[in-house]
Amino acid sequence: KNEVEQSPQNLTAQEGEFITINCSYSVGISALHWLQQHPGGGIVSLFMLSSGKKKHGRLIATINIQEKHSSLHITASHPRDSAVYICAARGGATNKLIFGTGTLLAVQP
Amino acid sequence: SQTIHQWPATLVQPVGSPLSLECTVEGTSNPNLYWYRQAAGRGLQLLFYSVGIGQISSEVPQNLSASRPQDRQFILSSKKLLLSDSGFYLCAWNSPGAGGSTSYNEQFFGPGTRLTVL
Repeated sequence: KNEVEQSPQNLTAQEGEFITINCSYSVGISALHWLQQHPGGGIVSLFMLSSGKKKHGRLIATINIQEKHSSLHITASHPRDSAVYICAARGGATNKLIFGTGTLLAVQP
Repeated sequence: SQTIHQWPATLVQPVGSPLSLECTVEGTSNPNLYWYRQAAGRGLQLLFYSVGIGQISSEVPQNLSASRPQDRQFILSSKKLLLSDSGFYLCAWNSPGAGGSTSYNEQFFGPGTRLTVL
């Protein structure tokens, strides 16, 4: 079992839909990151959070430390949101980033 | 503002050939530097990290090595490539935490190098 697991692995949505991507982790963490990887491979950091909730534009990230769970929400989704979304937890024995395998999101017009 | 560069963007190499991938960061000093690999269908894996010139830590035993000859330059190398070295290689940086450790700070990624070993 991976230390960081994401669901779903693949997600197809219609433009305008509210999207949720989930991340569960089994290690004690100091921070959790959400990253966005575009088709060309480039990675952009979206959020880093250790508690509560953060919002940036149409993106919202939440974390529940007790339940070891984080969610990334996208409101009013748009085709340009199509990308792979990666959850990464900083923690475990090495205190390094441990990555989930990503969620491939396709938003159709 | 800070920027991170990687080259080449794509590379096709035969098995057994050497490898050198370069990463440079601009606009910051004494960054922590990281090399990641993303194999097809798999998550990112940390290969090496560096907290300063000449200081390299290896996360997994492998066919690759890393060097940091200058403060903002990080190089990934191999003497003889294997088929299993194929993948997408990403360099990243962040600001050092207290005591110069690999920190809790947000990481910023380069554009990546797609390596195919044939």
